[in-house]
Amino acid sequence: DIVMTQSPLSLSVTPGEPASISCRSSQSLLQSSGYTRFDWYLQKPGQSPQLLIYLGFNRASGVPDRFSGSGSGTDFTLKIDRVEAEDVGVYYCMQALEPPYTFGQGTRLEIK
Amino acid sequence: EVQLVESGGELLQPGGSLRLSCTASGFTFSTYWMHWVRQAPGKGLVWVSRINEDGSVTSYADSVKGRFTISRDNAENTLYLQMNSLRAEDTAVYYCAKDLSGRQDNWGQGTLVTVSS
Repeated sequence: DIVMTQSPLSLSVTPGEPASISCRSSQSLLQSSGYTRFDWYLQKPGQSPQLLIYLGFNRASGVPDRFSGSGSGTDFTLKIDRVEAEDVGVYYCMQALEPPYTFGQGTRLEIK
Repeated sequence: EVQLVESGGELLQPGGSLRLSCTASGFTFSTYWMHWVRQAPGKGLVWVSRINEDGSVTSYADSVKGRFTISRDNAENTLYLQMNSLRAEDTAVYYCAKDLSGRQDNWGQGTLVTVSS
């Protein structure tokens, strides 16, 4: 199975400051089609997960442009330009290259 | 608007069986792959299973293979998860999610399954 490893597992950020989360996969997520099967999800407190970023860098519908995804192959990063209070929750990376799909451990973001 | 509503979760004893349902609306259910993902209390997300549009292709996590069966009724716009030989470690909120080219772009609110004696 593909192992997804996130870091850090928690971070505390002052509103208006940037934040960055890394995710590494145990094998390349680049598909022969040229697409990278890697997504970011956010689970806000008390809510279901929601899709943030897909195929490595595409923002899902309704996601503010302060969120950006980058990376390729096995190393990926989620950046938040200016953290807002509504961004609190747990961020998960996930590989959708092959089943079993696997998630990272999650990164809990809190506001200072 | 896409809506996914899970149901069927309950408290049951180890070794028991349960069938979860996920009723879909707001999109053409029969043209999308679907997934089940679970989350144990206070833990992270774990992918459980997926099924293709007509139900002919399925995949499972190793932890549930041979015990869980995913299926769908496209006429009823409903996704199912039949869970047999349940264990304490299957205790979780179970989410259904709609697939869009591999990513899960819409999620239900989840249904809680508790396995305990």
